[in-house]
Amino acid sequence: AQKVTQAQTEISVVEKEDVTLDCVYETRDTTYYLFWYKQPPSGELVFLIRRNSFDEQNEISGRYSWNFQKSTSSFNFTITASQVVDSAVYFCPPQGRALTFGSGTRLQVQP
Amino acid sequence: NAGVMQNPRHLVRRRGQEARLRCSPMKGHSHVYWYRQLPEEGLKFMVYLQKENIIDESGMPKERFSAEFPKEGPSILRIQQVVRGDSAAYFCASSPRQGGTEAFFGQGTRLTVV
Repeated sequence: AQKVTQAQTEISVVEKEDVTLDCVYETRDTTYYLFWYKQPPSGELVFLIRRNSFDEQNEISGRYSWNFQKSTSSFNFTITASQVVDSAVYFCPPQGRALTFGSGTRLQVQP
Repeated sequence: NAGVMQNPRHLVRRRGQEARLRCSPMKGHSHVYWYRQLPEEGLKFMVYLQKENIIDESGMPKERFSAEFPKEGPSILRIQQVVRGDSAAYFCASSPRQGGTEAFFGQGTRLTVV
């Protein structure tokens, strides 16, 4: 079973700042997957990325980037030049038979 | 390719009535997951179903709640004799297979019990 920790419960930044959301995982599996989801105020959960354990390359998608480091068991998510629309709760759910979600990290981007 | 469709989007029920929430998974997805989100709380897993089978119902309350995913038609989450504490947003997600794959979510059904 996989366990993840999102130590940051709430982050507040001003627009255009860069912000990094931390996700630290624990697993005994040699093959595993990591995910990030976003839940904006509208409520719907939005899938952002899946990463498998064989692929340690960083991923960049526009202003979003993900840094996967096996050495530190982390899969951190960075938003560059944040915008108000990035305000949401972000989840890094552990892989299991079904994805389970904790409280996530609430990001508030102030104008 | 339509996403996960949930209906109704909003549902109001009086205490003691039954609530039926529907979820049509994405095309080609045979795995469905139900979650409940109480106000100001995180998303709680309820049940995981594959066509005609309940795979994991460890998060489902023991009484009044049931779920099904028939061979034909949408998955249904049924809440009998609703109480005020059932007021929440109920989300459904689907995936093409179990484990190691992302699940896609519907927009949710917001149940209000009055």
